[in-house]
Order: sequence, then structure tokens, then C-alpha cells
Amino acid sequence: GAVVSQHPSWVICKSGTSVKIECRSLDFQATTMFWYRQFPKQSLMLMATSNEGSKATYEQGVEKDKFLINHASLTLSTLTVTSAHPEDSSFYICSAAGDTYEQYFGPGTRLTVT
Amino acid sequence: KQEVTQIPAALSVPEGENLVLNCSFTDSAIYNLQWFRQDPGKGLTSLLLIQSSQREQTSGRLNASLDKSSGRSTLYIAASQPGDSATYLCADSTGGGNKLTFGTGTQLKVEL
Repeated sequence: GAVVSQHPSWVICKSGTSVKIECRSLDFQATTMFWYRQFPKQSLMLMATSNEGSKATYEQGVEKDKFLINHASLTLSTLTVTSAHPEDSSFYICSAAGDTYEQYFGPGTRLTVT
Repeated sequence: KQEVTQIPAALSVPEGENLVLNCSFTDSAIYNLQWFRQDPGKGLTSLLLIQSSQREQTSGRLNASLDKSSGRSTLYIAASQPGDSATYLCADSTGGGNKLTFGTGTQLKVEL
């Protein structure tokens, strides 16, 4: 149990375009979802926390207008990188938590902006 | 602000060795501490979760301990195997147990 999926697993886009990444909890209801970013050889950095039906809470230094997060249902959250630039190239990982505080992580999405 | 540090950053050992990975955190008011494994280009696999009231957790060849007073956790891997090669991350949870702060990671290579 407690499986989290992400789609796509990798994406290449041109500078200036927008990219949407989906995070789904497959077998449980996720009241809270988290989005992380990981640069090469670095650890995971929390970008934002979202609760179903409410606005996401962004970490300091993360532009909320650039990284749009929607948590419309208890099984789906989306992260949209708007007007992507090469410096946005990174590995994006989501996690989901249900009634307990334990987070279950997705497999990640590799974004490359050319 | 919570800071989590892992030592060593990289470790290479021969197969069969027992090894210890270290994790230290600055704020002892943690809710729990987790150890994860990450293979290259992949997501995270949770290995062990220790609640703040616990001292250790065991799963197979893995044993994790937690000492809140000293701000440290260790992950002990017994009889290491090449398949254990991966990056190991610790993360602690503060502020009501909702938010994880990740350590810098230890990249482990177990050689034949």
C-alpha cells in the first residue's frame, strides 16, 4: 500500500514554455502533499506544502507565481512550472501524507529546460 | 531553523563489512526521524522511521538509533552487499510532524 505516482517521469521543454507535473496517491487519500526539488548531488529541498482544497504554502525563496500548485482532490496534486528557464532544470519529487504524518514519495520527474 | 548534516558524504566499503552512517540535527524538538534510500535518478524509499519517543528501530540488516539529547541518529547496516549501494538520506520532522528537513546525504558504494 501507500503508492504515489508521478507523471511524466521525465520531460524536456523549451525555455519560456510551461510544464505540468502530476502527483497521485494511488491507494490512499492524501490530505497533504509536498513538492520537493533536488539539484544534482544535493539533497531534497521543500518547495511547498498543499492541503486538499486550499492554497499551497510556499517555502521562503520559492516563487508562487512561477511554481503553481493545485491540490484539487484527495488523490491528485499538480505542479506547473510556468515560463520555464534552464535554471529550473531539476529533479522534482512529490510526497503524500494521509492521516498519519508519514510521507510517501513519488518516483520523481526529471525536468530539462533547453 | 533546523539543519541536518550527514557524515560522511561518501563511503566506499568492501562487501560484507558492517558500517555506520551518521546524521546530526540542530533542533532536538523533533517529531520523528526517517532514513531513506535513493538510487540514482529515482525517488525515495523509506527504510526506517523512529518516533521521538523511541530509541531505535530495526528492519532486517538495518538498525537506526535516535538520541534526541545529543541531536544524533545513526543507521547501522550489517553485512553490506553491493545492492546496498545508493545514497542514504536522513530527514527529521518538526513543527507538529508535518515538515521534513533532509540531510545532505551519504553516497554509499559497496564493492565486490
